[in-house]
Amino acid sequence: KAGVTQTPRYLIKTRGQQVTLSCSPISGHRSVSWYQQTPGQGLQFLFEYFSETQRNKGNFPGRFSGRQFSNSRSEMNVSTLELGDSALYLCASSHVPPGLAGESYNEQFFGPGTRLTVL
Amino acid sequence: AQTVTQSQPEMSVQEAETVTLSCTYDTSENNYYLFWYKQPPSRQMILVIRQEAYKQQNATENRFSVNFQKAAKSFSLKISDSQLGDTAMYFCAFMGPLNTDKLIFGTGTRLQVFP
Repeated sequence: KAGVTQTPRYLIKTRGQQVTLSCSPISGHRSVSWYQQTPGQGLQFLFEYFSETQRNKGNFPGRFSGRQFSNSRSEMNVSTLELGDSALYLCASSHVPPGLAGESYNEQFFGPGTRLTVL
Repeated sequence: AQTVTQSQPEMSVQEAETVTLSCTYDTSENNYYLFWYKQPPSRQMILVIRQEAYKQQNATENRFSVNFQKAAKSFSLKISDSQLGDTAMYFCAFMGPLNTDKLIFGTGTRLQVFP
């Protein structure tokens, strides 16, 4: 089975631009979560999607948005980029969140990340 | 709100020795999961070990084991017979309440294994 894939792997943008990052979960996985990783703030939760619905959102400004498609692939978008948005953006997928639909724990698998640099 | 604290930014250990990484957390939930994730340099985050809060028995996975103290809200990771490949950032993470995949991470501990 192929792992979680994220595209692009590296991205350089300038302030004020917008960017879209893509995440393809493991086949059969319906839950996708996004995290921002920076040296200063560590790993922070951005969003969680399950069956095309956003179930959870972290404490990020409205410039950060996301969506999930019917094939479970997910995208996140950052508009009006700021220097502080430079980070590694990680995506993780699981079959179903624990407790949902009677499921017990299903392991989350992380992708390699997209390294975004804002100049 | 849940929080996860890792008080050791860096640790080092000699190959074949044992090292323990500390983690404390705060939550009012009764049902939750705790995890240790490993992030090797420039490589993907992988799950090392998980612990369900309702289980009193400490989880073990080969050379990795945890000391879960629910009342003290402590969750340490012990790595036995350390190997060079264990060199990585280690993150303690909390998941709860259930029906979510949201993880709350600690700030991480950078572990260096020396030959």
